[in-house]
Amino acid sequence: DGGITQSPKYLFRKEGQNVTLSCEQNLNHDAMYWYRQDPGQGLRLIYYSQIVNDFQKGDIAEGYSVSREKKESFPLTVTSAQKNPTAFYLCASSIDGTEIQETQYFGPGTRLLVL
Amino acid sequence: QKEVEQNSGPLSVPEGAIASLNCTYSDRVSQSFFWYRQYSGKSPELIMSIYSNGDKEDGRFTAQLNKASQYVSLLIRDSQPSDSATYLCAVQTGFQKLVFGTGTRLLVSP
Repeated sequence: DGGITQSPKYLFRKEGQNVTLSCEQNLNHDAMYWYRQDPGQGLRLIYYSQIVNDFQKGDIAEGYSVSREKKESFPLTVTSAQKNPTAFYLCASSIDGTEIQETQYFGPGTRLLVL
Repeated sequence: QKEVEQNSGPLSVPEGAIASLNCTYSDRVSQSFFWYRQYSGKSPELIMSIYSNGDKEDGRFTAQLNKASQYVSLLIRDSQPSDSATYLCAVQTGFQKLVFGTGTRLLVSP
């Protein structure tokens, strides 16, 4: 089955703790994205990556970090600097991020809660 | 002004009726438009994409685009209770730049 997987489904963070959300895809897509969704708000872009070892900040990158060491994987770390991390985190991918008419497909999401 | 605006709803329609969901956007150079369906607690799934002015039909779904009025809509014919979800309008304003509306919640009553 081709698709995007995210783990864990639920994640709990303690004060001052860094946590890492996993995103893996086997669609052979070059471009990958991380979004955050809060109740009553649209999805907001945190980071995106078009190729391995390269990534760009989105609209709300502060308090987050990413890496792209493999084409299939784009993990997101929520650092202690992110003061309001409780949200639904969505990973997406698209073919290569170079076309205007390019669909993004989403993984199942990780819900992060602060203890 | 928000880049992509949707009425949050809920939009309530009876089973079998046509549901009409609307979206306006502010960036005139936008070229690609997407409708995603999101069930409560789940991730968005693509319903339709549209790039040219006019209508695009796929089964019970029709997307309508009017670039002059900066308006895109989604019609759902023969609405079913399983269509009850939040519908997200997304507008591509540049490479890798997809801007989402806050979504319209649709309730289809049996």
